Formats: sequence, structure tokens, C-alpha cells
Amino acid sequence: DGGITQSPKYLFRKEGQNVTLSCEQNLNHDAMYWYRQDPGQGLRLIYYSQIVNDFQKGDIAEGYSVSREKKESFPLTVTSAQKNPTAFYLCASTPLGWGNQPQHFGDGTRLSIL
Amino acid sequence: ELKVEQNPLFLSMQEGKNYTIYCNYSTTSDRLYWYRQDPGKSLESLFVLLSNGAVKQEGRLMASLDTKARLSTLHITAAVHDLSATYFCAVGSMNRDDKIIFGKGTRLHILP
Repeated sequence: DGGITQSPKYLFRKEGQNVTLSCEQNLNHDAMYWYRQDPGQGLRLIYYSQIVNDFQKGDIAEGYSVSREKKESFPLTVTSAQKNPTAFYLCASTPLGWGNQPQHFGDGTRLSIL
Repeated sequence: ELKVEQNPLFLSMQEGKNYTIYCNYSTTSDRLYWYRQDPGKSLESLFVLLSNGAVKQEGRLMASLDTKARLSTLHITAAVHDLSATYFCAVGSMNRDDKIIFGKGTRLHILP
């Protein structure tokens, strides 16, 4: 079955540590997105990528980094510069020029500080 | 800059009642999406609205789009407890950069 796989489901970060969240899709979608969701809040865009080896900052990119070396993979690194990383992180994907289709979402990764 | 506002942010209602959630957005767009999120879960797509006057219905939910007013509504008819969830609208940028901006969500609590 096609879909988006995020791992791990739960992640704990120590002070000063970088952690990487995985997002893999087998839908052959071109565009991929990372969102952050805080309790009781909407989704805020961190980074997005329309094609391999290219990505753009969203509204809250500071303290995060991404790479897009393969079409199916879009990992997110939460760096030590992100002082308040505790949140629910969601990865999504769509085909390019996808207006009539919704985004497909993974099941999310819940990140907490130790 | 594209901004999306939903209201109300929280809604508690009795079963059997009707209500409407509103989604306003700040710049021209030709694509609007509604999603549902259950507590602790990911987002599930409900509707895709692409043109002025578009109306879509699924069960007790009906969504509409007025691109001139930059407004979409999600109407709930004869609410049932199973519809308790958070509902998000999301709007696509006209820049064709595939950027999607979400509203803060409406937390719907339906009382039996």
C-alpha cells in the first residue's frame, strides 16, 4: 500500500543535541512538506521541497534543517539552535501541480525534551 | 502574505444541532482544503474545493467556497458525537510554489 512513513513515533532530545526525524513516501509524489503542531494550535510550515535537491523555508525554519537527496525521502533535523522543540511533527506529500488533490500526511512524530 | 483565519476556534454543541465553521483567507487562491484531526492522530482529508461556488457534501458535512469573499464554510447538519474532532482549513498559494497555509483549527466537541 502506498503511503507516508514517519519514524520514530516518539523521540526525546537532550539539551544541545541534534535529532533527525525520518519521512519516507512511496506515492511517487514530487512535493514534500514538514509541519510543526503545538498543542491546541494549527500546523505551521517548517520547510517544503518541490523537487529533489531543492527546498524552501516555510514560516518557522529557524533551528531546523532538511535535505532532499531522493524523491521519496525528506528528513528533518531539529538542531540545538531550536530552543523549544517540543511539538508534534507532521510530514506530508503531494504530486507536483496537485491542486485537485489533498496533501497526504504521515502519522507524525512526537518530540519531547529530556 | 497568505494568512488563514478560522472561527470559532472552539465549539461545543448538542447532538442534533446545526452549526457552521468559517475559514477566511487574506489573498487570492484557487484551492482550499478541509481536514479532520482526531486527538493524537494525523490529518484526514475531507474536501477539496477548487472553484468559486464549489460545494461538496459527505454525510453530515458540507463545504462551500466563495473565492470573491475569500471565505469557505464547513456546515454540520444534525451533529452526532462521532463528529467530535478538530477541523482545519488550508489554503494554497497562488504563486504556484505549492505552499499550503493552515488555519489554527476549530475544536468541535459534540455533547450527547
